[in-house]
Amino acid sequence: AQTVTQSQPEMSVQEAETVTLSCTYDTSESDYYLFWYKQPPSRQMILVIRQEAYKQQNATENRFSVNFQKAAKSFSLKISDSQLGDAAMYFCAYSGQGGSEKLVFGKGTKLTVNP
Amino acid sequence: DTEVTQTPKHLVMGMTNKKSLKCEQHMGHRAMYWYKQKAKKPPELMFVYSYEKLSINESVPSRFSPECPNSSLLNLHLHALQPEDSALYLCASSRSTSVRGLAGYSGELFFGEGSRLTVL
Repeated sequence: AQTVTQSQPEMSVQEAETVTLSCTYDTSESDYYLFWYKQPPSRQMILVIRQEAYKQQNATENRFSVNFQKAAKSFSLKISDSQLGDAAMYFCAYSGQGGSEKLVFGKGTKLTVNP
Repeated sequence: DTEVTQTPKHLVMGMTNKKSLKCEQHMGHRAMYWYKQKAKKPPELMFVYSYEKLSINESVPSRFSPECPNSSLLNLHLHALQPEDSALYLCASSRSTSVRGLAGYSGELFFGEGSRLTVL
């Protein structure tokens, strides 16, 4: 069974600084998807960024980028120029071959952004 | 329209009540999901409907009964719940894909804001 591990229950960052959230996963599949989801307090969860395992290039979305290390099974999220609105729970998630119906979530990292 | 709408936003019920949670999306997504989320925890998958058929039931107690009347609607019927069932219930949807000839889903879930359930 696939597992996703987020080893940092909480992180904090100063506004305008850069922070990196860690995620490792375990799978025997060669083709899969990885995601970072953001859940602000009392607001809906949204997708931040997505990585397809067969693509070597790291995904980027504006201030959000990932460092995908397939051999190490590592998928970290870097947030540049942190903003107060980035404060949220961040969940790393895995989806199996062909994109399965079932996502495996990590336990989450609570990010605090200090003004 | 990129929204998943859930009603009600808040629900308080007794252990003998029967109530329903509703979810609606008009994005043409063919997979719809119910998740249960406790505070400071990740969402736990309960049910998945794929093309209006139940495809995944994560061994959820029968006091939770899902229903998918059509491709846009998903209901969760609640009966004889326990206080430990109090949680945020999230509905989500995702679009079907064909990736290198393999049918599946994108894994990108569109979530509703959730229905916060309190069982007294």
